[in-house]
Amino acid sequence: DGGITQSPKYLFRKEGQNVTLSCEQNLNHDAMYWYRQDPGQGLRLIYYSQIVNDFQKGDIAEGYSVSREKKESFPLTVTSAQKNPTAFYLCASSMGFGYTFGSGTRLTVV
Amino acid sequence: EDKVVQSPLSLVVHEGDTVTLNCSYEVTNFRSLLWYKQEKKAPTFLFMLTSSGIEKKSGRLSSILDKKELFSILNITATQTGDSAIYLCAVGNMEYGNKLVFGAGTILRVKS
Repeated sequence: DGGITQSPKYLFRKEGQNVTLSCEQNLNHDAMYWYRQDPGQGLRLIYYSQIVNDFQKGDIAEGYSVSREKKESFPLTVTSAQKNPTAFYLCASSMGFGYTFGSGTRLTVV
Repeated sequence: EDKVVQSPLSLVVHEGDTVTLNCSYEVTNFRSLLWYKQEKKAPTFLFMLTSSGIEKKSGRLSSILDKKELFSILNITATQTGDSAIYLCAVGNMEYGNKLVFGAGTILRVKS
């Protein structure tokens, strides 16, 4: 079955640590996206990539980094520079207007 | 800056009620408006609207777009407890490819 796989589902991070969230798709979609979801704030765009080896900052990119070395993969690193990383992170891909979403990773700073 | 505003932010109804969710937007070069339902984790696609005045329907759900007044509504008739979810509205801008701007969502709870 085609889809998007995010891992892990739950992640705990100590303050000062970098962590990497995985996002893999087998839909052959060119574009991939990372969103952050906080209660009452909807989805906010962190980074997006329209094509392999290219990506752009979204509205809240500070403290995050990404890479797009393969079409199928778009990992997100939450660095220690991100002051409030506790949130639900959603990855999506698209070929056209609509998105297909992964099931998300819930990151908690302990 | 593109903006999407949804109202109400939350809503509690009883089974069988009809609800209307609102989405207004400001976008420089409108491409499309999309509705998603998010129950636990991944949002699932409901509708994509690009033309004014054409209602889209799927079972008890329907949606319509008004490009003159810059808003859309999502109607759910004869609500069921399974309709309880966050409903997200998103708008696409022609200048930014497939990138979507999302509203804050409406949390709907249907009581039995």
